[in-house]
Amino acid sequence: GAVVSQHPSWVICKSGTSVKIECRSLDFQATTMFWYRQFPKQSLMLMATSNEGSKATYEQGVEKDKFLINHASLTLSTLTVTSAHPEDSSFYICSAPYPGRRDEQFFGPGTRLTVL
Amino acid sequence: KQEVTQIPAALSVPEGENLVLNCSFTDSAIYNLQWFRQDPGKGLTSLLLIQSSQREQTSGRLNASLDKSSGRSTLYIAASQPGDSATYLCAVTNQAGTALIFGKGTTLSVSS
Repeated sequence: GAVVSQHPSWVICKSGTSVKIECRSLDFQATTMFWYRQFPKQSLMLMATSNEGSKATYEQGVEKDKFLINHASLTLSTLTVTSAHPEDSSFYICSAPYPGRRDEQFFGPGTRLTVL
Repeated sequence: KQEVTQIPAALSVPEGENLVLNCSFTDSAIYNLQWFRQDPGKGLTSLLLIQSSQREQTSGRLNASLDKSSGRSTLYIAASQPGDSATYLCAVTNQAGTALIFGKGTTLSVSS
């Protein structure tokens, strides 16, 4: 089946630093990818839609200057958490719809971010 | 605005039982519905996808049904096993290629 990878799988950083998370579609091209955030005991909430070759679309309440998204190729989207703070600690997970399978969405394994 | 609700929030059953997880959505104009499994601290595994024109999908011991007009889906798990213990998430898309809208999940615990 379709595979989506994420890197790193976990990261610990100091408050005020920036962290980059990569999301790759390994065996298909994804013009669109989605970034979600999941807080403990909560469900996944969409943060933004990453569009290849154009600006990302952010959900209401998500700071676009804090969560920078770049979708520079058909297989790679990156999420950079700038000036991270402890409240940004969460599980970040990306997904991509697979065109050949009725837009079934495949998810990366997620990135656990802990900001100290 | 589409909202997805899952009932129950948690469920504990002995091994071997058949069980049903429920999902409801407020806007019946969906494109498709997916059921996922999430193990603690892990990503999501897609279990079943049902297109809006379909009524059910089956995979092994899992059967998912969709009643679009009433805004409901059920996930039936037959002969549950301890390895089925996980959180099960229901999610819908309103249009092709758009993001999923998730319910909060049902956490299932199957005891041996």
